[in-house]
Amino acid sequence: KAGVTQTPRYLIKTRGQQVTLSCSPISGHRSVSWYQQTPGQGLQFLFEYFSETQRNKGNFPGRFSGRQFSNSRSEMNVSTLELGDSALYLCASSDVRGNYGYTFGSGTRLTVV
Amino acid sequence: SQQGEEDPQALSIQEGENATMNCSYKTSINNLQWYRQNSGRGLVHLILIRSNEREKHSGRLRVTLDTSKKSSSLLITASRAADTASYFCATVPSGAGSYQLTFGKGTKLSVIP
Repeated sequence: KAGVTQTPRYLIKTRGQQVTLSCSPISGHRSVSWYQQTPGQGLQFLFEYFSETQRNKGNFPGRFSGRQFSNSRSEMNVSTLELGDSALYLCASSDVRGNYGYTFGSGTRLTVV
Repeated sequence: SQQGEEDPQALSIQEGENATMNCSYKTSINNLQWYRQNSGRGLVHLILIRSNEREKHSGRLRVTLDTSKKSSSLLITASRAADTASYFCATVPSGAGSYQLTFGKGTKLSVIP
Protein backbone atom coordinates (compact mmCIF):
# COMPACT_ATOMS: atom_id res chain seq x y z
CA LYS A 1 0.00 0.00 0.00
CA ALA A 2 1.64 3.24 -1.13
CA GLY A 3 2.07 5.93 1.50
CA VAL A 4 1.19 9.59 1.38
CA THR A 5 3.10 11.29 -1.41
CA GLN A 6 4.02 14.95 -1.28
CA THR A 7 5.60 16.88 -4.10
CA PRO A 8 7.92 18.59 -4.44
CA ARG A 9 10.25 17.65 -1.57
CA TYR A 10 12.11 20.94 -1.62
CA LEU A 11 11.23 24.36 -2.97
CA ILE A 12 12.93 27.74 -2.96
CA LYS A 13 10.80 30.77 -3.76
CA THR A 14 11.21 34.52 -3.65
CA ARG A 15 9.13 36.84 -1.49
CA GLY A 16 5.94 37.87 -3.25
CA GLN A 17 5.71 34.76 -5.37
CA GLN A 18 3.11 32.07 -4.96
CA VAL A 19 3.54 28.33 -4.54
CA THR A 20 1.44 25.21 -4.93
CA LEU A 21 2.14 22.02 -3.02
CA SER A 22 0.62 18.66 -3.84
CA CYS A 23 -0.43 15.70 -1.72
CA SER A 24 -1.67 12.26 -2.79
CA PRO A 25 -3.26 10.38 0.12
CA ILE A 26 -3.27 6.68 0.81
CA SER A 27 -5.68 4.87 -1.46
CA GLY A 28 -9.12 4.80 0.15
CA HIS A 29 -8.46 7.70 2.51
CA ARG A 30 -10.80 10.57 1.80
CA SER A 31 -9.60 12.98 4.48
CA VAL A 32 -6.51 15.10 3.83
CA SER A 33 -5.06 17.56 6.33
CA TRP A 34 -2.24 20.06 6.03
CA TYR A 35 0.15 21.20 8.74
CA GLN A 36 2.91 23.77 8.91
CA GLN A 37 5.98 23.05 11.03
CA THR A 38 8.42 25.76 12.05
CA PRO A 39 11.04 25.85 14.83
CA GLY A 40 9.26 28.73 16.54
CA GLN A 41 5.59 27.75 16.29
CA GLY A 42 5.89 24.00 16.08
CA LEU A 43 3.24 21.99 14.25
CA GLN A 44 0.18 24.01 13.36
CA PHE A 45 -3.00 22.91 11.61
CA LEU A 46 -3.77 24.62 8.32
CA PHE A 47 -6.91 22.94 6.97
CA GLU A 48 -8.65 19.64 6.42
CA TYR A 49 -10.62 18.38 3.44
CA PHE A 50 -13.04 15.50 3.09
CA SER A 51 -14.78 14.62 -0.15
CA GLU A 52 -13.71 17.90 -1.74
CA THR A 53 -15.14 19.98 1.14
CA GLN A 54 -13.11 21.93 3.66
CA ARG A 55 -14.27 20.78 7.08
CA ASN A 56 -11.85 22.67 9.29
CA LYS A 57 -9.53 25.61 8.92
CA GLY A 58 -6.74 26.73 11.18
CA ASN A 59 -5.79 30.22 12.16
CA PHE A 60 -3.84 31.24 9.09
CA PRO A 61 -4.28 34.26 6.80
CA GLY A 62 -6.26 34.02 3.60
CA ARG A 63 -3.03 33.75 1.62
CA PHE A 64 -3.12 30.08 2.54
CA SER A 65 -5.71 28.11 0.63
CA GLY A 66 -6.32 24.57 -0.44
CA ARG A 67 -8.55 22.29 -2.37
CA GLN A 68 -9.27 18.62 -2.82
CA PHE A 69 -10.05 16.83 -6.03
CA SER A 70 -12.52 14.02 -6.67
CA ASN A 71 -9.70 11.45 -6.46
CA SER A 72 -8.89 12.79 -2.94
CA ARG A 73 -5.60 14.35 -4.04
CA SER A 74 -5.13 17.75 -2.46
CA GLU A 75 -3.21 20.90 -3.18
CA MET A 76 -2.39 23.84 -1.00
CA ASN A 77 -1.48 27.25 -2.29
CA VAL A 78 0.32 30.10 -0.62
CA SER A 79 0.16 33.46 -2.38
CA THR A 80 2.33 36.52 -1.84
CA LEU A 81 4.98 34.57 0.00
CA GLU A 82 6.64 36.05 3.07
CA LEU A 83 9.92 35.07 4.70
CA GLY A 84 7.94 33.70 7.64
CA ASP A 85 6.27 31.14 5.38
CA SER A 86 9.51 29.19 5.26
CA ALA A 87 8.60 25.89 6.86
CA LEU A 88 8.09 22.19 6.46
CA TYR A 89 4.58 21.60 5.11
CA LEU A 90 3.16 18.23 6.00
CA CYS A 91 0.16 16.48 4.56
CA ALA A 92 -1.69 13.71 6.36
CA SER A 93 -4.43 11.36 5.25
CA SER A 94 -6.88 9.35 7.31
CA ASP A 95 -10.25 7.65 7.35
CA VAL A 96 -13.39 9.69 7.91
CA ARG A 97 -12.51 10.91 11.39
CA GLY A 98 -8.94 9.88 11.93
CA ASN A 99 -10.07 7.28 14.43
CA TYR A 100 -7.10 5.09 13.62
CA GLY A 101 -4.46 7.77 13.38
CA TYR A 102 -3.10 9.77 10.52
CA THR A 103 -0.48 8.84 7.94
CA PHE A 104 1.86 11.67 7.11
CA GLY A 105 3.88 12.31 4.00
CA SER A 106 7.57 13.24 4.09
CA GLY A 107 6.73 16.90 3.69
CA THR A 108 7.69 19.76 1.41
CA ARG A 109 10.47 21.98 2.68
CA LEU A 110 9.70 25.52 1.50
CA THR A 111 12.33 28.21 1.75
CA VAL A 112 11.37 31.79 0.97
CA VAL A 113 14.26 34.13 0.18
CA SER B 1 -2.13 27.16 18.75
CA GLN B 2 -0.43 24.49 20.80
CA GLN B 3 -2.71 22.23 22.82
CA GLY B 4 -0.24 21.63 25.57
CA GLU B 5 3.24 20.83 26.56
CA GLU B 6 5.50 17.82 26.44
CA ASP B 7 7.88 17.23 29.26
CA PRO B 8 10.82 17.05 29.16
CA GLN B 9 11.76 19.08 26.10
CA ALA B 10 14.88 16.95 25.67
CA LEU B 11 15.93 13.60 27.07
CA SER B 12 19.22 11.76 26.74
CA ILE B 13 19.55 8.14 27.84
CA GLN B 14 21.77 5.11 27.34
CA GLU B 15 20.74 2.31 25.04
CA GLY B 16 18.74 -0.28 26.96
CA GLU B 17 17.25 2.20 29.40
CA ASN B 18 13.60 3.19 29.48
CA ALA B 19 12.43 6.59 28.26
CA THR B 20 9.35 8.33 29.63
CA MET B 21 7.77 11.38 28.05
CA ASN B 22 4.79 13.28 29.38
CA CYS B 23 2.15 15.34 27.63
CA SER B 24 -0.46 17.71 28.99
CA TYR B 25 -3.41 19.13 27.11
CA LYS B 26 -6.11 21.69 27.73
CA THR B 27 -9.47 20.68 26.28
CA SER B 28 -11.74 17.63 26.22
CA ILE B 29 -10.55 15.08 23.75
CA ASN B 30 -11.84 12.25 21.58
CA ASN B 31 -8.44 10.61 21.46
CA LEU B 32 -4.74 11.28 21.96
CA GLN B 33 -2.03 10.10 19.61
CA TRP B 34 1.73 9.87 19.74
CA TYR B 35 3.96 10.46 16.74
CA ARG B 36 7.69 10.15 16.06
CA GLN B 37 9.65 12.41 13.75
CA ASN B 38 13.17 11.74 12.57
CA SER B 39 15.20 14.84 11.81
CA GLY B 40 12.81 17.04 9.82
CA ARG B 41 11.07 14.20 8.04
CA GLY B 42 7.41 13.25 8.14
CA LEU B 43 5.62 12.11 11.27
CA VAL B 44 5.12 8.43 11.98
CA HIS B 45 2.03 7.37 13.90
CA LEU B 46 2.95 5.28 16.94
CA ILE B 47 -0.16 4.71 19.01
CA LEU B 48 -3.66 6.06 19.60
CA ILE B 49 -5.51 5.99 22.90
CA ARG B 50 -9.19 6.88 23.16
CA SER B 51 -10.64 9.04 25.90
CA ASN B 52 -12.33 6.04 27.54
CA GLU B 53 -9.08 4.05 27.70
CA ARG B 54 -6.49 4.35 30.45
CA GLU B 55 -3.57 2.34 29.11
CA LYS B 56 -2.45 0.87 25.83
CA HIS B 57 0.53 -1.18 24.71
CA SER B 58 2.19 -1.65 21.34
CA GLY B 59 5.45 -3.58 21.26
CA ARG B 60 7.94 -1.64 23.40
CA LEU B 61 5.54 1.29 23.78
CA ARG B 62 3.19 1.89 26.67
CA VAL B 63 0.84 4.85 26.74
CA THR B 64 -1.29 6.00 29.65
CA LEU B 65 -4.05 8.56 29.66
CA ASP B 66 -5.49 10.42 32.64
CA THR B 67 -8.40 12.52 31.42
CA SER B 68 -9.03 13.97 34.89
CA LYS B 69 -5.54 15.47 34.85
CA LYS B 70 -5.57 16.03 31.09
CA SER B 71 -2.26 14.26 30.75
CA SER B 72 -0.65 11.31 29.00
CA SER B 73 2.67 9.55 29.15
CA LEU B 74 4.63 7.53 26.62
CA LEU B 75 7.07 4.89 27.88
CA ILE B 76 9.60 3.34 25.53
CA THR B 77 11.19 0.29 27.11
CA ALA B 78 14.65 -1.09 26.33
CA SER B 79 15.49 1.87 24.11
CA ARG B 80 17.64 1.52 21.00
CA ALA B 81 19.79 4.02 19.11
CA ALA B 82 17.16 3.90 16.34
CA ASP B 83 14.62 5.40 18.78
CA THR B 84 16.50 8.70 18.60
CA ALA B 85 13.90 11.15 17.30
CA SER B 86 11.43 13.81 18.36
CA TYR B 87 8.19 12.57 19.89
CA PHE B 88 4.94 14.51 19.74
CA CYS B 89 1.61 14.02 21.36
CA ALA B 90 -1.44 15.19 19.46
CA THR B 91 -5.06 15.43 20.47
CA VAL B 92 -8.31 15.24 18.55
CA PRO B 93 -10.94 17.31 20.35
CA SER B 94 -14.26 15.83 21.35
CA GLY B 95 -17.45 16.98 19.70
CA ALA B 96 -18.75 16.78 16.19
CA GLY B 97 -17.00 18.64 13.43
CA SER B 98 -13.51 18.49 14.90
CA TYR B 99 -11.09 16.75 12.60
CA GLN B 100 -7.78 18.33 13.38
CA LEU B 101 -4.75 17.30 15.36
CA THR B 102 -3.40 19.75 17.90
CA PHE B 103 0.22 19.03 18.68
CA GLY B 104 2.43 19.61 21.66
CA LYS B 105 5.93 21.03 21.27
CA GLY B 106 7.59 17.64 21.37
CA THR B 107 10.31 15.83 23.29
CA LYS B 108 13.68 15.33 21.62
CA LEU B 109 14.99 11.91 22.62
CA SER B 110 18.63 10.95 22.18
CA VAL B 111 19.58 7.32 22.78
CA ILE B 112 23.32 6.89 23.19
CA PRO B 113 24.75 3.55 21.98
